[in-house]
Amino acid sequence: AQRVTQPEKLLSVFKGAPVELKCNYSYSGSPELFWYVQYSRQRLQLLLRHISRESIKGFTADLNKGETSFHLKKPFAQEEDSAMYYCALISSGSARQLTFGSGTQLTVLP
Amino acid sequence: EAGVTQSPTHLIKTRGQQATLRCSPISGHTSVYWYQQALGLGLQFLLWYDEGEERNRGNFPPRFSGRQFPNYSSELNVNALELEDSALYLCASSPGVRRTGELFFGEGSRLTVL
Repeated sequence: AQRVTQPEKLLSVFKGAPVELKCNYSYSGSPELFWYVQYSRQRLQLLLRHISRESIKGFTADLNKGETSFHLKKPFAQEEDSAMYYCALISSGSARQLTFGSGTQLTVLP
Repeated sequence: EAGVTQSPTHLIKTRGQQATLRCSPISGHTSVYWYQQALGLGLQFLLWYDEGEERNRGNFPPRFSGRQFPNYSSELNVNALELEDSALYLCASSPGVRRTGELFFGEGSRLTVL
């Protein structure tokens, strides 16, 4: 069975400091991983996907198959980054569904 | 472009009653997903519909059911409500079963069971 683990429920950093939100997964096949974000009073939305190897709003995430991790990183946090972040994994094959982690609430302090 | 819309925004029921939640996907999207977001538990997958068929369901009892209509809108029904069913129910849509990854979420329906 697939599983996504986000070990930190809460994470606080100061503005300008680096931030890393941890995500580990377990899945027997070849995973597709995503980060979703929910800003205050907004809908849950896609932030980035590993397959695109993109940087969105300064965030990057690298898939490490050896460590089964997909940590989200940003070198210099901004106050507007404060939000709830969810790591998610999609199963391959016909039963394609997103499995979410429990989320990490990031607070960037001034 | 209109996003995913859900109704009602809030719903209050008592134990044993039934609740019906509705979702309209983005125009052109054929897949609809339902998630339960209970306090402290993250998003738990409930149901996935595509082209009118149930494609997959999560680890929830049979009293959680739903359907997808020919216009791709969807309904989630929860029978014999229990206190622990109190949660935010999120609907999401995507362009179809062969497309990957990005789900577009609604604002949710908050169900309170007293």
